[in-house]
Amino acid sequence: NFMLTQPHSVSESPGKTVTISCTRSSGSIASNYVQWYQQRPGSSPTTVIYEDNQRPSGVPDRFSGSIDSSSNSASLTISGLKTEDEADYYCQSYDSSSFWVFGGGTKLTVL
Amino acid sequence: QLQLQESGPGLVKPSETLSLTCTVSGGSISSNTYYWGWIRQPPGKGLEWIGSIYYSGNTYSNPSLKSRVTISVDTSKNQFSLKLSSVTAADTAVYYCARHEAAGTGDYWGQGTLVTVSS
Repeated sequence: NFMLTQPHSVSESPGKTVTISCTRSSGSIASNYVQWYQQRPGSSPTTVIYEDNQRPSGVPDRFSGSIDSSSNSASLTISGLKTEDEADYYCQSYDSSSFWVFGGGTKLTVL
Repeated sequence: QLQLQESGPGLVKPSETLSLTCTVSGGSISSNTYYWGWIRQPPGKGLEWIGSIYYSGNTYSNPSLKSRVTISVDTSKNQFSLKLSSVTAADTAVYYCARHEAAGTGDYWGQGTLVTVSS
């Protein structure tokens, strides 16, 4: 079994760039895809990044994803921050024994 | 457009069994590509995967909940269901159903249903 660790919160100003990390506790981050979900208050999660770095249609290219094997982590980067990006963000990955695992979530404040 | 809708009691007594159903419309649950999962979110907290089922009936559950979780599928009704036994106040949460690839993303989610465990 593995865990995904995210910072509890991040904040940045409109127009700036923010990066949210997601560190895998055991096993290689590169061994299975990482997804990122955005959840606004009172709403269901929606995918902003899938398969490490792919954007679903309709997600602006201000959102990007990457993985770093040296730190065994994935990152979600949001550039040109807008107030509408303020939300909770969750990473999620998989392995054959744990199946689906979510990170603890990161609250993004755009101020 | 695929839609998922959770249904079931909003209030369950401690020690009883929580039962929820997810009805899938706009597509077939009998897909050999996708799994059908349950995820919950306690008030003010993060997402927790509960378990998932394949249309053939193969199930996968969170090890921390496995002893209390039963997930089943009814392909004739295009539905899948969750039963969580011996509930406590810690099981109070919004429960979501979702479609996902095994190692991929959950691309369709239900709106979620709040289940409160209280006497």
